[in-house]
Amino acid sequence: AQKVTQAQTEISVVEKEDVTLDCVYETRDTTYYLFWYKQPPSGELVFLIRRNSFDEQNEISGRYSWNFQKSTSSFNFTITASQVVDSAVYFCALSGMNTGFQKLVFGTGTRLLVSP
Amino acid sequence: GAVVSQHPSWVICKSGTSVKIECRSLDFQATTMFWYRQFPKQSLMLMATSNEGSKATYEQGVEKDKFLINHASLTLSTLTVTSAHPEDSSFYICSARDKGLAGGSIDEQFFGPGTRLTVL
Repeated sequence: AQKVTQAQTEISVVEKEDVTLDCVYETRDTTYYLFWYKQPPSGELVFLIRRNSFDEQNEISGRYSWNFQKSTSSFNFTITASQVVDSAVYFCALSGMNTGFQKLVFGTGTRLLVSP
Repeated sequence: GAVVSQHPSWVICKSGTSVKIECRSLDFQATTMFWYRQFPKQSLMLMATSNEGSKATYEQGVEKDKFLINHASLTLSTLTVTSAHPEDSSFYICSARDKGLAGGSIDEQFFGPGTRLTVL
């Protein structure tokens, strides 16, 4: 079975603070993909990143960075110098080889509130 | 980038009526479309996988007779909530895989903006 755990239900920070959103996953697949999505109040899911299980290199995109560690089955997401526009619910998701990479299993999401 | 639309964006209906939600891939052909349901402040739960020209595959616990899915073309899938009741009130989101990217590696799923259903 596949499972994604986002233990942080809600995080509140003040603008310009750095914040890390945790994601821990479980899968028996040797090949899988991990994702992060942002869901602003409008509801539409915004794709942020996809990472395959063979690529443990950390990635940075502007103020966003991701830390993938297979040893701890974690794929954490850090926002540097947070802004009010970052306020949203963030979902971590997993797609494994056993479903032909068709099915996305989502975590429960972390609601990020960035105040001015 | 690939665009997926949903119609309507919101709907309010009376208990017992049926509601149809459309999911369209606007600039690509989608061999597979997915339907998710999201209750307030909860995660997305996959309801069913819809392949063009064949019957949908439903996840465990999802009533196929209540949630009718039709994927008649490569750009359109519909979800019909039959005899809707207040407990069916939810945010329904579709996603689509790009046929053009298929084969071997993972195909990215593109998500629609969602449809908020409220059953009175």
